[in-house]
Amino acid sequence: EPEVTQTPSHQVTQMGQEVILRCVPISNHLYFYWYRQILGQKVEFLVSFYNNEISEKSEIFDDQFSVERPDGSNFTLKIRSTKLEDSAMYFCASSTGAGVREAFFGQGTRLTVV
Amino acid sequence: KNEVEQSPQNLTAQEGEFITINCSYSVGISALHWLQQHPGGGIVSLFMLSSGKKKHGRLIATINIQEKHSSLHITASHPRDSAVYICAVKNYGGSQGNLIFGKGTKLSVKP
Repeated sequence: EPEVTQTPSHQVTQMGQEVILRCVPISNHLYFYWYRQILGQKVEFLVSFYNNEISEKSEIFDDQFSVERPDGSNFTLKIRSTKLEDSAMYFCASSTGAGVREAFFGQGTRLTVV
Repeated sequence: KNEVEQSPQNLTAQEGEFITINCSYSVGISALHWLQQHPGGGIVSLFMLSSGKKKHGRLIATINIQEKHSSLHITASHPRDSAVYICAVKNYGGSQGNLIFGKGTKLSVKP
């Protein structure tokens, strides 16, 4: 069964450092998303991406965040200067097309900022 | 007030019991998702509903659009069903994927 793959599974970084979280969506999917879940809290939408551009972003997704699809297979989330409060589980997801479609989630990357 | 409310917050059941998890929402939606989050953190999409009822194995999901309510049922529950079950809705407008999540229902099924 096709799956969304995220790497690394766990990343520890110093406050102020840049991190890149990587995702390989399912190959024929066109829509890509990032979500985050702070420990003990609910999942929150960060950004959706289609046709090589951001289609929507939440208020969480400020100038410290960026997304990119650098090579047609990877989908990355970059945090420029990490803060302690960026510590969370980050989930990537992808889906086939517009309208009501099932999204497939990756296993998540646990980011710990120290 | 949360736009997506789930109940109960925690649920403990004995193996074999019939389980119901409820989700109520306050916004107009185009779709509702039921997700399963494993103890390790990974998320699996179980169902996506816009109307009626769907069944997959021992899982059944229903939605009542007029009442803004959905239920997830698990028949003949098993310890491997132990997980957090999350309801998420996509409201009208906005991009695909802009989901509003509930806080989840933590289910523990005892052998």
